[in-house]
Amino acid sequence: QTVVTQEPSFSVSPGGTVTLTCGLSSGSVSTSDYPSWYQLTPGQAPRTLIYNTNIRSSGVPDRFSGSILGNKAALTITGAQADDECDYYCVVHMSGGFWVFGGGTKLTVL
Amino acid sequence: QVQLVQSGAEVKKPGASVRVSCKASGFTFSVYFIHWVRQAPGQGLEWLGRIHPRSGDTTYAQKFQGRVTVTRDTSISTAYLELSSLKSDDTALYYCARENYGPDHWGQGTLVTVSS
Repeated sequence: QTVVTQEPSFSVSPGGTVTLTCGLSSGSVSTSDYPSWYQLTPGQAPRTLIYNTNIRSSGVPDRFSGSILGNKAALTITGAQADDECDYYCVVHMSGGFWVFGGGTKLTVL
Repeated sequence: QVQLVQSGAEVKKPGASVRVSCKASGFTFSVYFIHWVRQAPGQGLEWLGRIHPRSGDTTYAQKFQGRVTVTRDTSISTAYLELSSLKSDDTALYYCARENYGPDHWGQGTLVTVSS
């Protein structure tokens, strides 16, 4: 069973830069896994930030960027703001067409 | 603009079935896979299945095989999720999402509560 791994929590100072990562228990994440990132806020639908590794969703500020770093997908937030404090999840598109979600990273901005 | 609009909240008894709809607009429905995922209280997201509207081909999560059915009606650009033999731990927010090399648009969510 494939497990998608994320840091449980991360902290960043206002104005700082943070990189969250998304790994696979079975090996490396690559662009062909189409890693995507989204915010999940209680009571709201998921908000896609990045899809297909590095494509920014409509309306998402350019301080959010996606990439592959080593063997993991990465979400980098530059110039962190207070309202960036929430849970961030990644999802990987597996061969066979199913999605596997990571457990999420709780980002604190302080 | 791309929109996925889901049906309203449901309350069901254990053992019953539920059907949730997801009406698409703003794009060519037949071209994109539509996926269904859910979020139980206090949990992350869990994938249930997907459908390609043009062909009707489906893929389901092994965990839900035999209990989940995803269908579509292309004449009204709507996808459906049906989950049967409901249990209390099926209580969750259910979302549809469009696949565009990953989920790029989501429905607003449908709360399904399973309670006796």
